[in-house]
Amino acid sequence: DTGVSQNPRHKITKRGQNVTFRCDPISEHNRLYWYRQTLGQGPEFLTYFQNEAQLEKSRLLSDRFSAERPKGSFSTLEIQRTEQGDSAMYLCASSEGDTQYFGPGTRLTVL
Amino acid sequence: AQTVTQSQPEMSVQEAETVTLSCTYDTSESDYYLFWYKQPPSRQMILVIRQEAYKQQNATENRFSVNFQKAAKSFSLKISDSQLGDAAMYFCAPSGGTSYGKLTFGQGTILTVHP
Repeated sequence: DTGVSQNPRHKITKRGQNVTFRCDPISEHNRLYWYRQTLGQGPEFLTYFQNEAQLEKSRLLSDRFSAERPKGSFSTLEIQRTEQGDSAMYLCASSEGDTQYFGPGTRLTVL
Repeated sequence: AQTVTQSQPEMSVQEAETVTLSCTYDTSESDYYLFWYKQPPSRQMILVIRQEAYKQQNATENRFSVNFQKAAKSFSLKISDSQLGDAAMYFCAPSGGTSYGKLTFGQGTILTVHP
């Protein structure tokens, strides 16, 4: 059974650059979530997909952020014009029912 | 909206002893789930235990059990026979029925296990 995978695991970028992260959920999981976690804090919800439909977006998700889940399989999270405040761990989780399973995360560092 | 309070930033326990991590929450949902996740240093979030709010019986998973007090909105985690591998950050997280199942995490409790 393959778990949730995320790529890349680490990303270092300069302020103002665009970055894109990928999440591959557990196969046949129809729900996919993105969270952001800063050091020493609990994760915060960013957005949620049911199949290919993006059903909820947090106010944390400014217009520089966009997420997609084409064909209801993998998902991408893009951050445009990165800022130092975007430095965090970006976590992806998937579920079929009420229990979410997390990937290893992508750690973003914005210099 | 849901809020979660984990009042113990850090806890420690001796190997083989028992420790309880506390969590209180607030929710307007009538039907929800409650979870404890652990996050070892530099490793991914792992599900520890799950509780359905409509069930009065407390969930148990091997050495892990919860004390769920719905009226008090309290959801504590008890770890029995603590092992070195239990050292991690522990997060309490309710999941609302009408909010697409998104999790609201507390601030976490760092658990240290002493040999």
